[in-house]
Amino acid sequence: GEDVEQSLFLSVREGDSSVINCTYTDSSSTYLYWYKQEPGAGLQLLTYIFSNMDMKQDQRLTVLLNKKDKHLSLRIADTQTGDSAIYFCAENSNTGKLIFGQGTTLQVKP
Amino acid sequence: NAGVTQTPKFRILKIGQSMTLQCTQDMNHNYMYWYRQDPGMGLKLIYYSVGAGITDKGEVPNGYNVSRSTTEDFPLRLELAAPSQTSVYFCASSYEGGGSPLHFGNGTRLTVT
Repeated sequence: GEDVEQSLFLSVREGDSSVINCTYTDSSSTYLYWYKQEPGAGLQLLTYIFSNMDMKQDQRLTVLLNKKDKHLSLRIADTQTGDSAIYFCAENSNTGKLIFGQGTTLQVKP
Repeated sequence: NAGVTQTPKFRILKIGQSMTLQCTQDMNHNYMYWYRQDPGMGLKLIYYSVGAGITDKGEVPNGYNVSRSTTEDFPLRLELAAPSQTSVYFCASSYEGGGSPLHFGNGTRLTVT
């Protein structure tokens, strides 16, 4: 069945790079997404990548996609305390609905 | 820019009570969704709608009902609340299905005791 897996927790120091990893199962997914959830708020779309791309860069964010291994990663350069949040990976399934991972809590220490 | 608005923000229910979680969007989106979020479990789709008058079940529909009489509104009804329905509920909308990004409300935190 469709499944998206993420590690649950990542802790980094301010100024370091953060790398959040995700694996998915539906090879027919056309888009893969990263959403950010701050405390007490809903999810906000951070970035996305089309399945025919290997990499997408958007300011401090770099998304890498390895279709062969069904592996997606989000790299945040120069991580700031304001980046502390839960990050969700999601794929659009062949039924057209988004399947979310469990979320990775990113803790940024000053 | 209101986006997706959910009410109430918090609610405590006793077992067996019922309530309606309200959701409205002002972006003229066709697709609307209800998710529940449990710690460490990600988001699970409860119900969704592809347009006014059309609703369909998601992964975890049992114990819930929805209606979509207008494009803007997509209320979620809980009948006979149970402790297993303690969760944070998110409403979301998108212009279309497939790869269209979702816009989320800020959630309703529901506790059933």
